[in-house]
Amino acid sequence: GAVVSQHPSRVICKSGTSVKIECRSLDFQATTMFWYRQFPKQSLMLMATSNEGSKATYEQGVEKDKFLINHASLTLSTLTVTSAHPEDSSFYICSARGGLAGDEQFFGPGTRLTVL
Amino acid sequence: GEDVEQSLFLSVREGDSSVINCTYTDSSSTYLYWYKQEPGAGLQLLTYIFSNMDMKQDQRLTVLLNKKDKHLSLRIADTQTGDSAIYFCAEFPTDKLIFGTGTRLQVFP
Repeated sequence: GAVVSQHPSRVICKSGTSVKIECRSLDFQATTMFWYRQFPKQSLMLMATSNEGSKATYEQGVEKDKFLINHASLTLSTLTVTSAHPEDSSFYICSARGGLAGDEQFFGPGTRLTVL
Repeated sequence: GEDVEQSLFLSVREGDSSVINCTYTDSSSTYLYWYKQEPGAGLQLLTYIFSNMDMKQDQRLTVLLNKKDKHLSLRIADTQTGDSAIYFCAEFPTDKLIFGTGTRLQVFP
């Protein structure tokens, strides 16, 4: 299957700082990328959907000014957690679909964010 | 509603069969999916079933779909320790996946 990478895999930051997480589709062009958040022992919660070149669509309850999403190219989307607080600590997973990959969504390995 | 529910935990002996159950609410999903998540990792698509099918078999995996009851199940035959993971079912009613709560499968020797 197609490969989606995330960087970093793990990040620890101080409260009040901003953290950027990258999601890349390595062998296909992702017209759509999704960002999920997963709390311990819980399901994935969709945060936003981004289409290349346009603004992201955020799910209800997700603050767009806090979770900035940029999908500037067909292989890269970034999620920036601005002014992070301990309650933002979570596992963030991206997925991508599009191009020759068809309708299937391919998931990245996730990024563990810990805010101290 | 968009609730997809699963039992939280399942423990089986190595070599036995595992059955993971899922109930969903939106009958308009064209496909229903099963994903596997190993510790600290993303999701891996295991298998999927088209909504007009009752059953799909893929090697050790068997998916059963009861559309009337909105019930989906995943059977893993000859369960191995490497099958220990969290399993998510997901429906796809519109343009986004709706995940279940996840079932943690523990396989013991």
